[in-house]
Amino acid sequence: NAGVTQTPKFQVLKTGQSMTLQCAQDMNHEYMSWYRQDPGMGLRLIHYSVGAGITDQGEVPNGYNVSRSTTEDFPLRLLSAAPSQTSVYFCASKTGTHQGTGELFFGEGSRLTVL
Amino acid sequence: GQQVMQIPQYQHVQEGEDFTTYCNSSTTLSNIQWYKQRPGGHPVFLIQLVKSGEVKKQKRLTFQFGEAKKNSSLHITATQTTDVGTYFCAGPTSGTYKYIFGTGTRLKVLA
Repeated sequence: NAGVTQTPKFQVLKTGQSMTLQCAQDMNHEYMSWYRQDPGMGLRLIHYSVGAGITDQGEVPNGYNVSRSTTEDFPLRLLSAAPSQTSVYFCASKTGTHQGTGELFFGEGSRLTVL
Repeated sequence: GQQVMQIPQYQHVQEGEDFTTYCNSSTTLSNIQWYKQRPGGHPVFLIQLVKSGEVKKQKRLTFQFGEAKKNSSLHITATQTTDVGTYFCAGPTSGTYKYIFGTGTRLKVLA
């Protein structure tokens, strides 16, 4: 099993450009989420989804859009990149049978730099 | 909103010394999880604690969940160089799927 796959691993953008970070999982997990990791601030939840067609905001949703058209995929869109969005982004998934419990499986991360 | 703080932020130990990181939540948690992130890597699940006062062990690692379910600790006995990394606690906000992570403790082990 591949687990959680994120692409691209590295990306450099100019301010104002748009892009999509891809996340795919092959474990049939209902729950998927995006986090950003900045030095000294841990992992902060951006958006999450508990199933196809269902998404919700996390702690830091501004500047990011998500959609969940299939169980497998959960892309994160930056519509107009800003330097403050320079970060490492992690996608994570888990089985969604119980709220707030169960192991999160993380992708390897996508390092984004906005100039 | 809910906050989860960890102390210390950094810890350098000599190989063979013990290490402890503490996690404190501003609200009661239904459960708490611990993750380890190696340098340049992604977080990897270590354990989940659910019951008040629960203590679990994994070889040299001991995890504890506080009686009030607002704090937790991870203790490593006789650290090894393979223990290097950042340790995060994480807890769900009540009644939601939101997992809030602590700020993390970065452990460096000097050989």
